Amino acid sequence: QVHLVQSGPEVKKPGASVKISCKTSGYTFTEFAIHWVRLAPGQRLEWMGWINADNGKTNYLQKFRDRVTITRDTSATTVYMEVSSLKSEDSTVYYCARGRPAFDFWGQGTLVTVSS
Amino acid sequence: EIVLTQSPGTLSLSPGERATLSCRASQDVTTYLAWYQQKVGQAPRLLIYGASARPTAIPDRFSGSGSGTDFTLTISRLEPEDSAMFYCQQYFSSPWTFGQGTNVEIK
Repeated sequence: QVHLVQSGPEVKKPGASVKISCKTSGYTFTEFAIHWVRLAPGQRLEWMGWINADNGKTNYLQKFRDRVTITRDTSATTVYMEVSSLKSEDSTVYYCARGRPAFDFWGQGTLVTVSS
Repeated sequence: EIVLTQSPGTLSLSPGERATLSCRASQDVTTYLAWYQQKVGQAPRLLIYGASARPTAIPDRFSGSGSGTDFTLTISRLEPEDSAMFYCQQYFSSPWTFGQGTNVEIK
């Protein structure tokens, strides 16, 4: 059974960084990409970037290229997303999802709150 | 970037009725179009991929159609648990994009 389990909620100050993990299980880790999506203002889903779990190549939405880094640990079958220079507008829920290429399995979401 | 526009914004229907949700793409995405259901406090769930294919766990009340720029998600007989936001997504080209969502309310 495929599972994606994300790390717990985070509270950060403006300007800080946050690193969220996505632990995968139930499938061959290197066969599928992992994407990160967040719930944008107005309840729209916003794709942020993805990583090829096999070779580690990444691609990001232009607006996040300077602030978001996605990495993976193949031995731990875990993907990480770090967001730096946090602003209050980054307060929302972040999801990881397996790309097949449609997003067939999702993590439960991680709430990040940015507040001084 | 491919823009997806969903309509209507909100759909309010009774159990047993048929729901028709629309998604229009700003350029041709062939059939690289998916639909997701998201209930409050939950992660999105894949309903349809490839414009019309349904994962095995998804009830056959949900069906998708269309190609190119115009797509439809149909829920043939609404049930109370279908109350949710529904999003379309294109994965034809990066950046992957989502529509703004249709809120389906069950009366």
